[in-house]
Amino acid sequence: QVQLVQSGSELKKPGASVKVSCKASGYTFTSYAMNWVRQAPGQGLEWMGWINSDTGNPTYAQAFTGRFVFSVDTSVSTAYLQIFSLKAEDTAVYYCARDTYYDSNGRSDFWGQGTLVTVSS
Amino acid sequence: IVLTQHPLSLPVTPGEPASVSCRSSQSLLNAYDGHTYVDWYLQRPGQSPQLLIYTLSYRASGVPDRFSGSGSGTDFTLTISRVEAEDVGVYYCLQRIEFPYTFGQGTRLDIK
Repeated sequence: QVQLVQSGSELKKPGASVKVSCKASGYTFTSYAMNWVRQAPGQGLEWMGWINSDTGNPTYAQAFTGRFVFSVDTSVSTAYLQIFSLKAEDTAVYYCARDTYYDSNGRSDFWGQGTLVTVSS
Repeated sequence: IVLTQHPLSLPVTPGEPASVSCRSSQSLLNAYDGHTYVDWYLQRPGQSPQLLIYTLSYRASGVPDRFSGSGSGTDFTLTISRVEAEDVGVYYCLQRIEFPYTFGQGTRLDIK
C-alpha cells in the first residue's frame, strides 16, 4: 500500500534552516511527481509547488521561490523540502502529497502525515 | 486564480443533505480537452487532507457515493446527500487548470 512518511516536528530559531523528509513506499517512486502544501496554524491549505521525482526538476509557486528548495533522492525513495533563512511566518505544517502523474497535474491521491515546523527565538 | 467558498461554516443534522459552493475568478474549463479542473478535499480534524472529488465530478477511490461534485465554468458545488458523523471537517476546493494551483479558504462542516 502507498505510504508517505514524513520526518518529525522541528523547532528552529529565526535565520536557521530546516530539511523535511518524505519517505515513499508501496509504489515506484520515480513514476509520480511529489507536491508540497503548507498549512499555517489554524489556516487553510497553500500550494507550494512540486518536483518531478525522476528528474528532480522542481517547480515553485511564486510565494515559495528563493528560500525553499525541493529535492529527491531516488536511491531511498525520499523527497525533501529545505527552507533557508527561516522566519516566524514559516511556522506551519508542511505536507508532501503524491501526484497522480509523472509531471504534476495537481491531483494528490496520497498524503504524508505532515511535519510541523516551528520558528521561534 | 482566486477560489471563494461559501458558506465558511456549515452546521448539519445527520442524515440531512449539505452543499458547499466554490466560485472561481476564472473559468476552470480546459477548452482543449473539455475537462473542468476543480477538485475537492476533506481535512478531518487532526488529519491530512484527502481527495474526494477530482476533475469536477469524479469520485476518488474509496469515497462513498453520497459525495458528488457538479458545476461548470466558474461555479462549483460539492454535495453530500446524507451527512454522517464522519463527514465532519474542513472542505477545500482546488483549481489546477493554471499554475500556481490554488485552494479555496475552506468550509467547516460540523454536526448539529
